[in-house]
Amino acid sequence: KAGVTQTPRYLIKTRGQQVTLSCSPISGHRSVSWYQQTPGQGLQFLFEYFSETQRNKGNFPGRFSGRQFSNSRSEMNVSTLELGDSALYLCASSLVPGTQREQYFGPGTRLTVL
Amino acid sequence: GNSVTQMEGPVTLSEEAFLTINCTYTATGYPSLFWYVQYPGEGLQLLLKATKADDKGSNKGFEATYRKETTSFHLEKGSVQVSDSAVYFCALSDQGNQFYFGTGTSLTVIP
Repeated sequence: KAGVTQTPRYLIKTRGQQVTLSCSPISGHRSVSWYQQTPGQGLQFLFEYFSETQRNKGNFPGRFSGRQFSNSRSEMNVSTLELGDSALYLCASSLVPGTQREQYFGPGTRLTVL
Repeated sequence: GNSVTQMEGPVTLSEEAFLTINCTYTATGYPSLFWYVQYPGEGLQLLLKATKADDKGSNKGFEATYRKETTSFHLEKGSVQVSDSAVYFCALSDQGNQFYFGTGTSLTVIP
């Protein structure tokens, strides 16, 4: 079974631009979560989607948004990029939420903001 | 609120040494506990898990026991290898399936 895939793997943007990252969960997984990983802050939870609805949201500004499609694929968008948005963005999928099942992570998208 | 605290790194060990990475948690209810490992340039991989008190998770020679009385889930391995060099994350999942991660502990194993 294929794992979680994320595209693109690397991105370079400039301040003020916007970016869209994509995540395809493991086949059959319906819950997708997004995390931001930086050396200073570690792993921080962005949001979680299930059945095209946002279930949980972390403490990030409104510039960070996401959505989930009917096939469970998810995208996250960051508008008006800032230097501090440079990070590894990780997507994780699980079968369904609310059951304490493990999450499976993709390789991440490395975003660099110049 | 829920949180995970794990020992600061980096940790450097010689090959075949014994490894312990401490992890304690704060949570309401009955969380599940996990250890994830991240190799350079990659995402996180599930290493082991435990879903209730006194459960022992194990995988690839690594073990951790869910201790509710001490709210701990320490990771151990009897004999580390160079290939174990990575960053290790302790995590908990609450009833809402939201995950909380520790800050990660970097392990380097030298031959």
